[in-house]
Amino acid sequence: DIQMTQSPSTLSAFVGDRVIITCRASQTISDWLAWYQQKPGKAPKKIIYKASSIELGVPPRFRGSGSGTEFTLTIDGLQPDDVATYFCQQFYSYPGNFGPGTKVEI
Amino acid sequence: EVQLLESGGGLVKPGGSLRLSCVVSGIIFKTSAMSWVRRTPGKGLEWVSAVSGSSPRTYYADSVKGRFTISRDNYQNTLYLQMTNLRADDSAIYYCAKEGNYGDFDYWGQGTLVTVSS
Repeated sequence: DIQMTQSPSTLSAFVGDRVIITCRASQTISDWLAWYQQKPGKAPKKIIYKASSIELGVPPRFRGSGSGTEFTLTIDGLQPDDVATYFCQQFYSYPGNFGPGTKVEI
Repeated sequence: EVQLLESGGGLVKPGGSLRLSCVVSGIIFKTSAMSWVRRTPGKGLEWVSAVSGSSPRTYYADSVKGRFTISRDNYQNTLYLQMTNLRADDSAIYYCAKEGNYGDFDYWGQGTLVTVSS
């Protein structure tokens, strides 16, 4: 199985800051990576697919990049509404394992 | 509007069983690959099981293989997860999710809570 790691596990930043979350895969997954945002008490919501494609309706301050084994999710100008836990997921092969998550706080 | 509505969660003793259901609307269910994913405080999101669309093949995480069974009723637009021999570490919020074009998950239900405790 492909293992996913994320860093940091928790991140505290100010409104307006640039926030960067890193996700690493244990083997190459090309660009078969998605990012999800999960707010407390809510279902996960896909925000990025194929590593860098932004889902319809997601604010452009969210940006995904990377390929192979290393990926980043950048939030350009953190907003209070962005408080959530962010997960990466590989779908290069079954099982589509998730990273352990990064909790973003203001 | 796409909707996925889970039900069937609850409190169960270790070794017990539960059946989760997920009623789906707003998509062509019979050709959609579907999964169950769970969220725990300690492990985050964990993919549990998947079933393909029209010629159903099933897939399981090692942690549930032999104990959980995924199935679907394409007439009732419903996804199921039969869980047996439940353990404390199966306690989680269980979500059903529809696979998107790339194998990621583009629609999720609101989740149903399973608590395994004596």
